[in-house]
Amino acid sequence: SQTIHQWPATLVQPVGSPLSLECTVEGTSNPNLYWYRQAAGRGLQLLFYSVGIGQISSEVPQNLSASRPQDRQFILSSKKLLLSDSGFYLCAWSRQGAEAFFGQGTRLTVV
Amino acid sequence: GQQLNQSPQSMFIQEGEDVSMNCTSSSIFNTWLWYKQDPGEGPVLLIALYKAGELTSNGRLTAQFGITRKDSFLNISASIPSDVGIYFCAGQLGSNYKLTFGKGTLLTVNP
Repeated sequence: SQTIHQWPATLVQPVGSPLSLECTVEGTSNPNLYWYRQAAGRGLQLLFYSVGIGQISSEVPQNLSASRPQDRQFILSSKKLLLSDSGFYLCAWSRQGAEAFFGQGTRLTVV
Repeated sequence: GQQLNQSPQSMFIQEGEDVSMNCTSSSIFNTWLWYKQDPGEGPVLLIALYKAGELTSNGRLTAQFGITRKDSFLNISASIPSDVGIYFCAGQLGSNYKLTFGKGTLLTVNP
């Protein structure tokens, strides 16, 4: 069966510090991978998605970037965090269908 | 971009009551999905709908794909305290890999 791992679960970072969140999927190959952010207002905002190694599409111009160095690894990064980057970050994967499966999320607080 | 209007935003019900929530859009979707999110967790897929008019059940949950392909509803029968959480609808346009999410319905069940 397929599983998705996302870490860390919580993170407190100072403004201006770098960020690296990692997500890995097991039990499948060539998945579509996604990074979402969920603000306090509850909506899920798609940040990045990837259909293959090295292929990244950005949905929202922002202070963040994503990379996919391996087939089942998706990384969310920032060189300098802003206060507005605080939120709940979710990684997800899907196959050819629409059904997306989410990780447990990372709660990021920028102070 | 495309938007899904999900209602109601929140519901407060007594244990044992039935619940209904829905999503509408001005766009035609090929797929409708319903997710549940517990506090601090990632959303979990409840039901996936792929055909207009499709009615699908998962235990006490029933969801339908609207005939016009612009709406979907989710019903929960005989609610129990563990039904508490945020319920999201999501839709997929065409063969696009991306999902558009509603803003969620916060469900509170009083024992």
